[in-house]
Amino acid sequence: NAGVMQNPRHLVRRRGQEARLRCSPMKGHSHVYWYRQLPEEGLKFMVYLQKENIIDESGMPKERFSAEFPKEGPSILRIQQVVRGDSAAYFCASSAIQDGEQYFGPGTRLTVT
Amino acid sequence: DAKTTQPPSMDCAEGRAANLPCNHSTISGNEYVYWYRQIHSQGPQYIIHGLKNNETNEMASLIITEDRKSSTLILPHATLRDTAVYYCIVRVENSGYALNFGKGTSLLVTP
Repeated sequence: NAGVMQNPRHLVRRRGQEARLRCSPMKGHSHVYWYRQLPEEGLKFMVYLQKENIIDESGMPKERFSAEFPKEGPSILRIQQVVRGDSAAYFCASSAIQDGEQYFGPGTRLTVT
Repeated sequence: DAKTTQPPSMDCAEGRAANLPCNHSTISGNEYVYWYRQIHSQGPQYIIHGLKNNETNEMASLIITEDRKSSTLILPHATLRDTAVYYCIVRVENSGYALNFGKGTSLLVTP
């Protein structure tokens, strides 16, 4: 039973480009969460999605960031016009039920040059 | 969610029990105590959670005081692979989602 999968594992973008981060939840999980970890800091919640719905995006920056979890396919975290401050590790987690244990993927490390 | 306080770092000798404390003095009756750990640069790993009874699984034991104001995560026989940052998180069940990771305790297991 594969765990949470994220790709790419490492992503380098120049300032102004777009970054797309993908997350495939564990089999049978329909709840997805995105977290960001800035260098030398703890993880911060960004957004919680269920299939085709954004439930809570209170941790998402108001501009340039968006997330989706379509009926088919992985969840996508999209960052438009990246800036150096977006450089971080982005972790996705999934759970089987709304308040269940969250299982994390290996993360995507975004570097903006 | 209630705030938690953990020591920033701890050491433990390999093979010994590692006892990681957490204070959550403002915890309310419907809040659970969760423990996660993050091994260097990897995604956080769920360890255990509990409400008021002590809990044990294949990874660890969780001891919660009777007044629920503090808890201790016990790794019974620490190995070098247990070196990680351990996070104690208090969360209301049915609150849905966000885990509030603080700074955690950096545990170093030494040979």
